[in-house]
Amino acid sequence: DGGITQSPKYLFRKEGQNVTLSCEQNLNHDAMYWYRQDPGQGLRLIYYSQIVNDFQKGDIAEGYSVSREKKESFPLTVTSAQKNPTAFYLCASHRRREGQPQHFGDGTRLSIL
Amino acid sequence: DQQVKQNSPSLSVQEGRISILNCDYTNSMFDYFLWYKKYPAEGPTFLISISSIKDKNEDGRFTVFLNKSAKHLSLHIVPSQPGDSAVYFCAASVQQWGSARQLTFGSGTQLTVLP
Repeated sequence: DGGITQSPKYLFRKEGQNVTLSCEQNLNHDAMYWYRQDPGQGLRLIYYSQIVNDFQKGDIAEGYSVSREKKESFPLTVTSAQKNPTAFYLCASHRRREGQPQHFGDGTRLSIL
Repeated sequence: DQQVKQNSPSLSVQEGRISILNCDYTNSMFDYFLWYKKYPAEGPTFLISISSIKDKNEDGRFTVFLNKSAKHLSLHIVPSQPGDSAVYFCAASVQQWGSARQLTFGSGTQLTVLP
């Protein structure tokens, strides 16, 4: 079964710690995305990548970093510079063709201890 | 500045009746619109989309209507079922051939279908 796998489902971070959220897809999709969702709000774009070894900042990239060394993988690091990291993080991917919707993983909930 | 707005945070509908979810946008460059459904602690699931060259797209119980002059779209669910109870997000983008498409999301509407 093809899909997008995010891990872990729940993650706790201590103050001052960097943490990395995993996103893997076996859909052979070109583009991958990271979004953040806060309560009562829509999804906001953090970073996206169109191809391997290329990525672009979204609307709220400060305090986050990404890499795209493989087509299937797009990990997100939440750094200590992100002052309000508690949120639900969603990874998405899609084919770079007209009319192709983004498909989402089931998310990672990050909380600060 | 919110470019995509869902002004109703919640909607309750009786089972079997029509659910109408609304979405307004301000950016006239948007030309591709999508609706996603989301259950708690899960990722959004794509429901239906519409390109700006159309004013209606239908898929089973779901129909999306686009009014470009009013910059308004709506999702109709007929008949509504209890399993439709979820948060519905409207999203919009500018289509770019061969490029990653940045989606701008509304804040969502919680639909509750009462049995």
